[in-house]
Amino acid sequence: AQTVTQSQPEMSVQEAETVTLSCTYDTSESDYYLFWYKQPPSRQMILVIRQEAYKQQNATENRFSVNFQKAAKSFSLKISDSQLGDAAMYFCAYSDSGGSNYKLTFGKGTLLTVNP
Amino acid sequence: DTGVSQNPRHKITKRGQNVTFRCDPISEHNRLYWYRQTLGQGPEFLTYFQNEAQLEKSRLLSDRFSAERPKGSFSTLEIQRTEQGDSAMYLCASSLPTSGDVETQYFGPGTRLLVL
Repeated sequence: AQTVTQSQPEMSVQEAETVTLSCTYDTSESDYYLFWYKQPPSRQMILVIRQEAYKQQNATENRFSVNFQKAAKSFSLKISDSQLGDAAMYFCAYSDSGGSNYKLTFGKGTLLTVNP
Repeated sequence: DTGVSQNPRHKITKRGQNVTFRCDPISEHNRLYWYRQTLGQGPEFLTYFQNEAQLEKSRLLSDRFSAERPKGSFSTLEIQRTEQGDSAMYLCASSLPTSGDVETQYFGPGTRLLVL
């Protein structure tokens, strides 16, 4: 079974600075999808960024980028120019890309605090 | 497109009672997922529908749980004879597979269940 590990339960960053959240995963598949979701307090889960495993180029979305290391099974999220609104729980997630069930396997999350 | 909606947002019930939650997916999304999230954890997969067919159920889904998606539109999740261990946030997500693109799930705000 696939597993996702987020080794940092909590992280903090100063406003306008850069922070990197770590994620490792375990799978025997060669093609799959990886995601970062953000869950603000008492609000719904929002997609931050996504990556297809067969694409070597790291995904970027504005201030958010990933460092995808397929051989190391690592998928870290970098947030540049951190803003107060970035404060949230961040979840790394994995799904297979074959078959018909793209269920997500989540890590336990990293709580990000942004200090003014 | 109004996003995924879930009702009720909060539910308090006494142990042994039955509860039912509803999820309305994004229109035209043919896949619908249910997840459960307990405090301090990432969401865990419960079950999955493609149109009206329930295609997979997690071993987490005991026989007290039942889910339906009549006519492939909204879905309901019923828990019979609730137990205190059922207290959690129940999340619904929907997706629409698109050829050549990463299948992405969009989440609702969740239903928070407290069993007394």
